[in-house]
Amino acid sequence: SQELEQSPQSLIVQEGKNLTINCTSSKTLYGLYWYKQKYGEGLIFLMMLQKGGEEKSHEKITAKLDEKKQQSSLHITASQPSHAGIYLCGADIPGTGNQFYFGTGTSLTVIP
Amino acid sequence: DTEVTQTPKHLVMGMTNKKSLKCEQHMGHRAMYWYKQKAKKPPELMFVYSYEKLSINESVPSRFSPECPNSSLLNLHLHALQPEDSALYLCASSQGWGRQFFGPGTRLTVL
Repeated sequence: SQELEQSPQSLIVQEGKNLTINCTSSKTLYGLYWYKQKYGEGLIFLMMLQKGGEEKSHEKITAKLDEKKQQSSLHITASQPSHAGIYLCGADIPGTGNQFYFGTGTSLTVIP
Repeated sequence: DTEVTQTPKHLVMGMTNKKSLKCEQHMGHRAMYWYKQKAKKPPELMFVYSYEKLSINESVPSRFSPECPNSSLLNLHLHALQPEDSALYLCASSQGWGRQFFGPGTRLTVL
């Protein structure tokens, strides 16, 4: 079973449009990480959200954690081609031996 | 230095070869990880070392053999691999169970 499900699986947007990616956990979230990956490369850390309905922003990317819904959302405002890549959420899932899980991933294409 | 380095960047090997992947970090992190990532899939955890001791082995076949010679280095020894083992192998490190810092990965092709 997949502990972290992301939606949508892929997204194609016109440059300048806003978009949202969701990450839903099957278990209670105590902290969640967002990473970005260019094809065939390592993961770039975007931000970490901790318990408490936290919201963080970095440049044009905002992420929120809703612990009641066991969900996090990543919102990109005025998307640019540089935003293209694969977005991955990740979390330490309690009760699983402190193992770190990644979400299923969302592939973002931004058309100039 | 907030970088995790991995060598080689690309590796092509036959099924009878023995090769090693290397990972290095100088951030003083005490946890180091190996992940395997197939195309269009999220990374899958293979091994975790904590304080130079293997703490998690995700039922990985014995043809993959990890080694942590010291707190800065992590190796993955490869022997008798199968073509389905072709993937991007990512190394990461962290201070405890927090944010992980990832290397650029090694693209492995098994012929």
